[in-house]
Amino acid sequence: GAGVSQTPSNKVTEKGKYVELRCDPISGHTALYWYRQSLGQGPEFLIYFQGTGAADDSGLPNDRFFAVRPEGSVSTLKIQRTERGDSAVYLCASSFSIHNEQFFGPGTRLTVL
Amino acid sequence: GNSVTQMEGPVTLSEEAFLTINCTYTATGYPSLFWYVQYPGEGLQLLLKATKADDKGSNKGFEATYRKETTSFHLEKGSVQVSDSAVYFCALSDNYGQNFVFGPGTRLSVLP
Repeated sequence: GAGVSQTPSNKVTEKGKYVELRCDPISGHTALYWYRQSLGQGPEFLIYFQGTGAADDSGLPNDRFFAVRPEGSVSTLKIQRTERGDSAVYLCASSFSIHNEQFFGPGTRLTVL
Repeated sequence: GNSVTQMEGPVTLSEEAFLTINCTYTATGYPSLFWYVQYPGEGLQLLLKATKADDKGSNKGFEATYRKETTSFHLEKGSVQVSDSAVYFCALSDNYGQNFVFGPGTRLSVLP
């Protein structure tokens, strides 16, 4: 398909472990966004990329969270030393540019036991 | 900082009823305003948007007008259908298209 894809769809891990969440944006979209959505809440902005660089990472909650987009396409969100409070759905979105509509992926549901 | 407040749900309506979901915002400058919808089992989709004061966004029978004087962007539909059952999110971005802020969402259930 031509939409944003995210893998895995579900991830269960233990407290203290390291996880990586992957996002494949729509081909040709230069802007890529990561959000976190807790149960009953709206998406919370984490970070966005314009090309390969993180243009705004002000939403990352602490230094355990890091994201990369080395070739300006696929992005990986990395969480070190996971905590139970990190449990949420992590959403990725992409857009042609920052002023265009964002297209969201289905999300990765992360559960930290 | 910027923020979005929307009416708490869940909202339950009968088919063909009139829908209003209230949304108010706090922002500096001239934000763009959005309504996103999340149907069961699907990802977030843009429903409509407005980029300046007095603009009306519309799609699929839904409308919302950007009211700067009341800092509101209420979502309306004249006659809802069962297929409109979903969670609706009001959101804004700053005038640079950045700093997206979403409201908590309002769950709508439409009964036949």
